[in-house]
Amino acid sequence: GQNIDQPTEMTATEGAIVQINCTYQTSGFNGLFWYQQHAGEAPTFLSYNVLDGLEEKGRFSSFLSRSKGYSYLLLKELQMKDSASYLCAVSRSNDYKLSFGAGTTVTVRA
Amino acid sequence: ETGVTQSPTHLIKTRGQQVTLRCSSQSGHNTVSWYQQALGQGPQFIFQYYREEENGRGNFPPRFSGLQFPNYSSELNVNALELDDSALYLCASSEKGSPEQFFGPGTRLTVL
Repeated sequence: GQNIDQPTEMTATEGAIVQINCTYQTSGFNGLFWYQQHAGEAPTFLSYNVLDGLEEKGRFSSFLSRSKGYSYLLLKELQMKDSASYLCAVSRSNDYKLSFGAGTTVTVRA
Repeated sequence: ETGVTQSPTHLIKTRGQQVTLRCSSQSGHNTVSWYQQALGQGPQFIFQYYREEENGRGNFPPRFSGLQFPNYSSELNVNALELDDSALYLCASSEKGSPEQFFGPGTRLTVL
């Protein structure tokens, strides 16, 4: 089975940095994904980590430690439009059938 | 290049009825996955189709079934609807073996 945990809610100020943690326990691991989902909209792909380490993509970075079953998504220079739910997901094979966490709702305040 | 589209946008059904949801994959994508997202939860994997064949299934009962057509579009059918089937149903398309899935806007199903 799978167990993917992430905080329910986080609040931060515009221009600040927020780190969203995700821990997972899965039988088999192929990769870890982060998706952004605005209210009422479809999830959009942010990042995909296969190997340990940090992947940076503009204001967003994602980190993975396979030995610890741990990942985080770092959002820098927060903007109001970053207010959304952030979903951590794991795939067990290269068919990419994703198992999602419940999502972390990030609220950015002025 | 058009993105993933789904129809209908919203749907209201009563318990015991049947429903068919449709998904058109992004151009060039031969793999479609369906997910159910209950309010306040992450999406749950229902099943995946590749070249018209089911390619894996999540923990959903047989009354959830699907099809994929030669143009790679797909349908999700749910029989004997239950109240707990009320959710946002998302489809995602990808190229086989590619990690990046593109989600459609979803169909919001309400079962009364």
